[in-house]
Amino acid sequence: DGGITQSPKYLFRKEGQNVTLSCEQNLNHDAMYWYRQDPGQGLRLIYYSQIVNDFQKGDIAEGYSVSREKKESFPLTVTSAQKNPTAFYLCASSTDRSGATAFFGQGTRLTVV
Amino acid sequence: AQSVTQLGSHVSVSEGALVLLRCNYSSSVPPYLFWYVQYPNQGLQLLLKYTSAATLVKGINGFEAEFKKSETSFHLTKPSAHMSDAAEYFCAVSGDNAGNMLTFGGGTRLMVKP
Repeated sequence: DGGITQSPKYLFRKEGQNVTLSCEQNLNHDAMYWYRQDPGQGLRLIYYSQIVNDFQKGDIAEGYSVSREKKESFPLTVTSAQKNPTAFYLCASSTDRSGATAFFGQGTRLTVV
Repeated sequence: AQSVTQLGSHVSVSEGALVLLRCNYSSSVPPYLFWYVQYPNQGLQLLLKYTSAATLVKGINGFEAEFKKSETSFHLTKPSAHMSDAAEYFCAVSGDNAGNMLTFGGGTRLMVKP
């Protein structure tokens, strides 16, 4: 079945450590996105990529980094510079057609301990 | 720039009652509008979307939404709530930005009372 896989589902990190969240899709979508979800704030865009080897900052990119070396993969690194990293992280993908539906992974809940 | 406002962060209805979740948007171009549903600790699932083909859009699980340009609204309705409808609902807009990104509202948590 086609879809988006995020791993792990739950992740714990000590303060000062970098951590990488995985996102893989087999939908042959060109565009991929990372959103952060906090209670009462909806989803906020961290980074997006429309094509391999290219990505753009979203609204809240500070303290995060991404790579897009393969069409299927768009990992997100939460660095120690991110001051409040505890959140639910959602990865999505879509075609590059205007108005295309975005398909979401099941999310990763990151907790800093 | 595009934006979305969902009125009411929490809505409570009785089982069998009408569900109405409100969404207003802002966009400088004809928008694409979406409603997604999220169950606890899950990703988002598309309920329905508006792409200018018809102003009344029918989605999954008996939900529908009507695009009203004059009111810049895209409210979500369901005639009769089921317990299984309890979830968080997000309205989103795209079209008025580069990269085809979705801009989300703050979400509305729907509670269904027996």
